[in-house]
Amino acid sequence: GAVVSQHPSRVICKSGTSVKIECRSLDFQATTMFWYRQFPKQSLMLMATSNEGSKATYEQGVEKDKFLINHASLTLSTLTVTSAHPEDSSFYICSARWGSEAFFGQGTRLTVV
Amino acid sequence: GENVEQHPSTLSVQEGDSAVIKCTYSDSASNYFPWYKQELGKRPQLIIDIRSNVGEKKDQRIAVTLNKTAKHFSLHITETQPEDSAVYFCAAPAYPSGTALIFGKGTTLSVSS
Repeated sequence: GAVVSQHPSRVICKSGTSVKIECRSLDFQATTMFWYRQFPKQSLMLMATSNEGSKATYEQGVEKDKFLINHASLTLSTLTVTSAHPEDSSFYICSARWGSEAFFGQGTRLTVV
Repeated sequence: GENVEQHPSTLSVQEGDSAVIKCTYSDSASNYFPWYKQELGKRPQLIIDIRSNVGEKKDQRIAVTLNKTAKHFSLHITETQPEDSAVYFCAAPAYPSGTALIFGKGTTLSVSS
């Protein structure tokens, strides 16, 4: 199957700082990638759809100025959490579809202190 | 948009018993229904999926059934084993794009030996 790699797997940052998370498709090109957020013991909630070469599409209630998405190449999408606050602490996970199947990155555990 | 409901939220069975998890979806145009298994702190892993042109699909101890008229699909695990213990998510394509996946709230399956 296809491989999606996400980095870093864990990050701790201070409140008010920004954090960048990378998502790469290693063996296929992904014109579209997806970013999810998962709070403890909850489901994966779609945050946004990342489109190569164009603006991301954000789900209702997700602040686009806080969660900056860049999809500059066919294999890389980045999510930047700007001015992070403790309530942004969560598990962020990216996904890309190859054929009908969705493949997920390893996820990033973000802790804002 | 697509709404995916999943039941039950928790399920406890004895080793060797069967487990059934049910999901309903709202968009009648949806045509792809995957099931994922997620272990704590890890990425979701696809365990089985079904397309709308078939009513049932089986892979060893795991099967999925689909009722398009009623807009529901179910995961069946037979001869459960302790290593089946995890959180299981159903999903369906987001409306109207059909590219991202929308997840159910998840079912925590516990298999006791």
